[in-house]
Order: sequence, then structure tokens, then C-alpha cells
Amino acid sequence: SAVISQKPSRDICQRGTSLTIQCQVDSQVTMMFWYRQQPGQSLTLIATANQGSEATYESGFVIDKFPISRPNLTFSTLTVSNMSPEDSSIYLCSVADPAGRNTQYFGPGTRLTVL
Amino acid sequence: QKEVEQDPGPLSVPEGAIVSLNCTYSNSAFQYFMWYRQYSRKGPELLMYTYSSGNKEDGRFTAQVDKSSKYISLFIRDSQPSDSATYLCAMIKAAGNKLTFGGGTRVLVKP
Repeated sequence: SAVISQKPSRDICQRGTSLTIQCQVDSQVTMMFWYRQQPGQSLTLIATANQGSEATYESGFVIDKFPISRPNLTFSTLTVSNMSPEDSSIYLCSVADPAGRNTQYFGPGTRLTVL
Repeated sequence: QKEVEQDPGPLSVPEGAIVSLNCTYSNSAFQYFMWYRQYSRKGPELLMYTYSSGNKEDGRFTAQVDKSSKYISLFIRDSQPSDSATYLCAMIKAAGNKLTFGGGTRVLVKP
């Protein structure tokens, strides 16, 4: 398994500002992922982040709105830019199983409220 | 039509009962199957991981996969109030890495 931490755990932000969420994992992993979970909904993949390459974004998500960094094999950041109330969600990072199984482990999430 | 369908519940059972959860999927390319448990205000926790048809047991949990029917199940025996959570099925296609989730089933185990 993998132990994943996220910062901040929650935040309340003003419309038009940006927030950067950090994700740290306790072992080196090739693939990290960022998800959004809107209230009462399931998880939606925003992008896949591989170290040393540009993130791959899913349909409906763009780099200008959700820039991602992946500077090394244990760390990634997601920025939510120019926020609006519609961005109020839980943002979760996950990592591919370090043991190589085709599954993912999730962090505790960042609860974002935009006023 | 969604690729993965899951009854949203809520499913309410008395303590000690068997909880039965299931998901159906439409794409036979899905080859790896997972169940996650998510408590309120927490991240999803991996409960079960399977990749072949049949049953897999882990303590009070049994995961069942029927690839011919495109149907997966999770059974929780001797349910406890601490099992009250949302359960999400998820799956990955062969040669892929993207998780596709069901909508989640909210389970409430009453003491």
C-alpha cells in the first residue's frame, strides 16, 4: 500500500483566487492522479501526472484551470485557478500501487469551498 | 448510459446482517475490479482488489466477479455500525490505468 497526505485538508477561498493543493506519498510511485468529488457524487478524474512529463487531462479539464506539477516521484501539486463557487468540491490525489497491481490508493482529500 | 452502474441506496440493515452490494458494467474491456469504502469527509479506502472471475475473501468481506454477466458484488458478513459508509465499485481496463467508478452506495448499519 501507500500512505498519502494532502495539504491543506480544507480551505475556504474567495472567488477569483487560486489554491494550490499538495500531495505527498511515502514511497516512489510512477503515476499520480488528481480527482474531483462534487457533493454527493462519485469521483471524476481530472488528470494523470507522471514525473518528467506534462500531465494528461481528461475531457472537460484544461491545464489553464488546473495546472499540475510533478517535480519528483513522491510529490505533486494541483492548482485550482480563478476559482468560482462551482469549483467547491473535494479534491483527491491518488497513486498507482507501488507493488505494481492495477489499482490506486487515495489521499484524505482537500475540501474546498469557494465563496 | 454510464459505463458502470451502481444503486445509490441508501441501504439500511440491522447490525449482524449481511450487506450485499453490486455493480454492473457495459464494457468487457474492464479487467481489474475494486471496492472502496469512503467514510464521510475522508478519502476512499481500498477494500478489495480482484482480476479474475470468482470469489475472493478477506475477513468479513467477499468480492465476487462474474465477467460473463459483467457483474460484480461485495458481501459484508456480520455487519457492524462501523461499516456504515459509502461503498464505491471501481474498475480498470486491460492495458489502461484510468479508474472508472460507480456512483457509490450509501450503507447504514443500525445497532
